[in-house]
Amino acid sequence: GDSVTQMEGPVTLSEEAFLTINCTYTATGYPSLFWYVQYPGEGLQLLLKATKADDKGSNKGFEATYRKETTSFHLEKGSVQVSDSAVYFCALGDSNEKLTFGTGTRLTIIP
Amino acid sequence: GAGVSQTPSNKVTEKGKYVELRCDPISGHTALYWYRQSLGQGPEFLIYFQGTGAADDSGLPNDRFFAVRPEGSVSTLKIQRTERGDSAVYLCASSLAGGPQGTQYFGPGTRLLVL
Repeated sequence: GDSVTQMEGPVTLSEEAFLTINCTYTATGYPSLFWYVQYPGEGLQLLLKATKADDKGSNKGFEATYRKETTSFHLEKGSVQVSDSAVYFCALGDSNEKLTFGTGTRLTIIP
Repeated sequence: GAGVSQTPSNKVTEKGKYVELRCDPISGHTALYWYRQSLGQGPEFLIYFQGTGAADDSGLPNDRFFAVRPEGSVSTLKIQRTERGDSAVYLCASSLAGGPQGTQYFGPGTRLLVL
């Protein structure tokens, strides 16, 4: 079945550091890929998505590229801020309209 | 506009009791999803509605779990004979048209604790 494996946390970085959170997936067919974020005390929000191979999703300075050859969708940001502290979930959406999530990566940015 | 709302926000019940969790999707969204998130895990799919019908209920763990959406808007997740292992946050999401390219908007969740 479909599965998503993402970098285990927690991850702690200093402000303005470069961020990478790794995500790889296993799926049949051609899934869409997503990054969701959960800020403290808030619900899950879509951060970015990519619907086909080589697409790049971007939002709020975050980027991720759909790499079919490596079955990956790594999340990157060039310079993180304290306000980026949250839990990040990688997910895939299959043809049956359901999302399969990774276990989440807790990110803490220290000033 | 209003987002997805879920009630109650917290529910404490005793083992063996029956509970109902409610989800109000974004107005006009035809697709509605239920997920369950255990502590330290990502959400796990339970069931998906397109309109009034359950298009995919493959994630329901057993026959104690049931969900309805009689008028194609509000949905209720029903759990019979609750067990301690049912304790989790139950998330509802809706999207405009469903499908993997439709963005799912999540509610704040109902935190269920079975004692």
